[in-house]
Amino acid sequence: DQQVKQNSPSLSVQEGRISILNCDYTNSMFDYFLWYKKYPAEGPTFLISISSIKDKNEDGRFTVFLNKSAKHLSLHIVPSQPGDSAVYFCAASLIQGAQKLVFGQGTRLTINP
Amino acid sequence: GAVVSQHPSRVICKSGTSVKIECRSLDFQATTMFWYRQFPKQSLMLMATSNEGSKATYEQGVEKDKFLINHASLTLSTLTVTSAHPEDSSFYICSARAYQETQYFGPGTRLLVL
Repeated sequence: DQQVKQNSPSLSVQEGRISILNCDYTNSMFDYFLWYKKYPAEGPTFLISISSIKDKNEDGRFTVFLNKSAKHLSLHIVPSQPGDSAVYFCAASLIQGAQKLVFGQGTRLTINP
Repeated sequence: GAVVSQHPSRVICKSGTSVKIECRSLDFQATTMFWYRQFPKQSLMLMATSNEGSKATYEQGVEKDKFLINHASLTLSTLTVTSAHPEDSSFYICSARAYQETQYFGPGTRLLVL
């Protein structure tokens, strides 16, 4: 039972354009959402998070949008840079600070020069 | 962000041997550490959660006698894969967090069992 889904296994974007990564979830009890970035043979790096009481959180080039009614969140990266090429995982937890994170399958983002 | 290290980064062992992987939080005290496993092109699957000084909580389907977890201090947790078999070959990642803070991940350990 995949509670967090990233339906696009890969995405290619031109440098300088906007990258939009999508994530859907099924458990309406999820209350806190996070995005992680992962390079090959490395552990995930925390990028940005959002609480369910918000619909948007912005940090520099990264913005996360949350649509609770649709159980959907997205990560926007603008402008996209070659160094953004990595696998991006979304994750969810029942409450902020909760023990357990549930991860999506990941989306491989490739930024083309 | 906080720094979490793992050792070794890569290990090759013979079938039937045991392998120990260390996870350390270098600049903070981790009240909780997590062990994940990732198969190629798949998501991170939580194996177990460990709190310092107490027994680990294992996820459904994870054999606690095969994957021994020790969280001896606020900066160190170890995962021992006992009697490893080729199907245990995988990428093992730990994460650590202070109380109710964000999880920070280690760089991972690639295990290959021959």
